Amino acid sequence: NAGVTQTPKFRILKIGQSMTLQCTQDMNHNYMYWYRQDPGMGLKLIYYSVGAGITDKGEVPNGYNVSRSTTEDFPLRLELAAPSQTSVYFCASSPQGVNTEAFFGQGTRLTVV
Amino acid sequence: DQQVKQNSPSLSVQEGRISILNCDYTNSMFDYFLWYKKYPAEGPTFLISISSIKDKNEDGRFTVFLNKSAKHLSLHIVPSQPGDSAVYFCAASEYRGYQKVTFGTGTKLQVIP
Repeated sequence: NAGVTQTPKFRILKIGQSMTLQCTQDMNHNYMYWYRQDPGMGLKLIYYSVGAGITDKGEVPNGYNVSRSTTEDFPLRLELAAPSQTSVYFCASSPQGVNTEAFFGQGTRLTVV
Repeated sequence: DQQVKQNSPSLSVQEGRISILNCDYTNSMFDYFLWYKKYPAEGPTFLISISSIKDKNEDGRFTVFLNKSAKHLSLHIVPSQPGDSAVYFCAASEYRGYQKVTFGTGTKLQVIP
């Protein structure tokens, strides 16, 4: 059971470039989330999804887009990379939306130069 | 506005002794609290949780205490082991159409052999 898998683990982008962070889970969870963690800070929610075809903004959505075409996959798209998007990104999933823990991927460390 | 605060960035404890990690929150609408543990280069993993209707939850060496009147949460680890050395995140959630989880900034625990 792989859980939540994120790719890539590391990436360096130049300002203005775009990329997609991949996330897939094999636990058949309905809820999926993208967080970012900046140094010395807690995790901030970027986007979330309550099921295939349904996504919504979290606390810090600007500069990002998501899609959820299947239950398993929840990719995060950066269209025009900026230095402020340098961070560690975590994808997570949970079986339901209330009073349950989330399962996290290993994270993607992104640097924008 | 930091609604979940972990005021101690780090904590060192001798192996075998008790580790106490503290967390304060300001939002009275939080109704579920979680602790996550994070090792370097890995995603957070769920440790223990507590509902707002309880004041204590125990799981092996880990106990979480909730004092609603003081808006204070603590995690006790007894006895502490070197493998417990990690960053611990306190998290609090409220239901706002989805489980909105707010994370603290983390406390780095070092257990000294």
